[in-house]
Amino acid sequence: GAVVSQHPSWVICKSGTSVKIECRSLDFQATTMFWYRQFPKQSLMLMATSNEGSKATYEQGVEKDKFLINHASLTLSTLTVTSAHPEDSSFYICSASRQREASNQPQHFGDGTRLSIL
Amino acid sequence: AQKITQTQPGMFVQEKEAVTLDCTYDTSDPSYGLFWYKQPSSGEMIFLIYQGSYDQQNATEGRYSLNFQKARKSANLVISASQLGDSAMYCCAMREGKAGGTSYGKLTFGQGTILTVHP
Repeated sequence: GAVVSQHPSWVICKSGTSVKIECRSLDFQATTMFWYRQFPKQSLMLMATSNEGSKATYEQGVEKDKFLINHASLTLSTLTVTSAHPEDSSFYICSASRQREASNQPQHFGDGTRLSIL
Repeated sequence: AQKITQTQPGMFVQEKEAVTLDCTYDTSDPSYGLFWYKQPSSGEMIFLIYQGSYDQQNATEGRYSLNFQKARKSANLVISASQLGDSAMYCCAMREGKAGGTSYGKLTFGQGTILTVHP
């Protein structure tokens, strides 16, 4: 089955640091990848949609300069949290979709990244 | 306006009992899909069940079934014979549009319901 790998699983770093999170599709070509954010005891909130080779589309209220998304290849998308602050601490999770995926196919999610900014 | 609504922040059920988790949705698109995911405390998203807008029958997958009432725009998840391992957050999500669009796979999630199964 389709596998999405997300790395790292945990990040703890100082305020002001930039943090890069990778999302890889291991056995399929992901034309579209999605980045979600989740606060404790809340559900997933879409941050942005990235299509390979083009600029990401950000949801309303998400700062594109703060959350840089790059989807340079069909198997890799990265989310960089720039100059991270404690309020950026959250659970970040990606999902991937392949071209012409059947409508009943679920999204292929990574296992998520827990980001803690001290 | 909220597209997906889960009105139960938390639910409790006795082991071996059945439980229904509510989900209502709002869309004007005739083509859409509804998904339920389970998210344990470890964080991974586990796909449970899918219902397409054109599906004539309610979806079932083992102990999971979906009570799909299209006219009422509801897609409630029914878990039969609850087990302790069912304790988790349950997320209802909707995907709109037809395959081929650039953001086709985009999911809109409800607020989630935290289910606790008691022994």
